[in-house]
Amino acid sequence: AQSVTQPDIHITVSEGASLELRCNYSYGATPYLFWYVQSPGQGLQLLLKYFSGDTLVQGIKGFEAEFKRSQSSFNLRKPSVHWSDAAEYFCAVGAAFKAAGNKLTFGGGTRVLVKP
Amino acid sequence: DADVTQTPRNRITKTGKRIMLECSQTKGHDRMYWYRQDPGLGLRLIYYSFDVKDINKGEISDGYSVSRQAQAKFSLSLESAIPNQTALYFCATSDLTGSDTGELFFGEGSRLTVL
Repeated sequence: AQSVTQPDIHITVSEGASLELRCNYSYGATPYLFWYVQSPGQGLQLLLKYFSGDTLVQGIKGFEAEFKRSQSSFNLRKPSVHWSDAAEYFCAVGAAFKAAGNKLTFGGGTRVLVKP
Repeated sequence: DADVTQTPRNRITKTGKRIMLECSQTKGHDRMYWYRQDPGLGLRLIYYSFDVKDINKGEISDGYSVSRQAQAKFSLSLESAIPNQTALYFCATSDLTGSDTGELFFGEGSRLTVL
């Protein structure tokens, strides 16, 4: 069965500092990997996704993520955090074929707090 | 207007009551999903539907039922609500055609409290 682990429940970072959120997955086939962000009172918005090719993926809002197959990881990074990045972040994994029906498995989330 | 709309956004109810959460979408997507979010557990899939005649259970379907009234509408029902169904519920859609990138598009959520 597929699973996603986000080891850090909360992270506090100063504005302007770098941010890295960890994500480890377990999946038996070629995974589709996603990072979503949930701002307070909002639904989830896609930050970036990885299917194949270049293992460094660029997303919206200045985020990037690196897929490392050997470590089963898909960590999210941002070089300089803005106050508006305070939110909860979810890593998700899904199957790489249509029959799976886009049934994503989500990690438990990491809540990011940004200090002024 | 949002592409995926959930109603109600907030609901407080009592144990044993029947509750329906509704979802409508204007994205023209075939696939619709209901997820439940609990702190520390992320989102878990309750039910999903590939089209009007195709409805499937997710990992936590017990205590829930769904209805796909039309391509654009997918409702989640709690026949007899219990306190541990207190959670934030999300409807999502995805596109069957095209590149099938697997991306889900979410509504803003329905917060349900069962007393």
